[in-house]
Amino acid sequence: GENVEQHPSTLSVQEGDSAVIKCTYSDSASNYFPWYKQELGKRPQLIIDIRSNVGEKKDQRIAVTLNKTAKHFSLHITETQPEDSAVYFCAASTGGADGLTFGKGTHLIIQP
Amino acid sequence: ETGVTQTPRHLVMGMTNKKSLKCEQHLGHNAMYWYKQSAKKPLELMFVYSLEERVENNSVPSRFSPECPNSSHLFLHLHTLQPEDSALYLCASSQSLANTEAFFGQGTRLTVV
Repeated sequence: GENVEQHPSTLSVQEGDSAVIKCTYSDSASNYFPWYKQELGKRPQLIIDIRSNVGEKKDQRIAVTLNKTAKHFSLHITETQPEDSAVYFCAASTGGADGLTFGKGTHLIIQP
Repeated sequence: ETGVTQTPRHLVMGMTNKKSLKCEQHLGHNAMYWYKQSAKKPLELMFVYSLEERVENNSVPSRFSPECPNSSHLFLHLHTLQPEDSALYLCASSQSLANTEAFFGQGTRLTVV
């Protein structure tokens, strides 16, 4: 089955700086890569996703890049703000019965 | 409100108890999921239902038993659990199995004593 590795487990950045979280996946058949944000005590919520026919996608301060050859994808957050502090999860899916396979999560801390 | 509601929000149960977790979605989705979220571990997929049919998943202990009576409701029946089963149990739904956004409920925080 699919295996997703996520790094780093904790990331601390100064407010206004950029943050990058990286994930690798093992199954070359995976073709859907969402990113979820989970604030303390709340449910995971989708913030951006990318499909395998696209190399990059942006939504305001958030962007995701995908390298299918290397089987890795990354989340980029620019101009970080205190409300960006949360745990971020990457995931991969082949679209089959295995659903989404998640990484272990990255605790992003924005320092004022 | 994402349209996926879970009850109860918190549950404490003894190892000999039987309890059930409930999930309801009002999004018209065809696929529903149970995930387990433990500290320091990735979200673990437990069960998948598509069009009310369970997609086989053999890696979950039999003390967890899912039920999907219709496309809007999903249950997780619990019996003779162990303390290591304490975790946040998240329900999610998506339009279909095929690579569509999963909407999560707020979860049930389960503590087994």
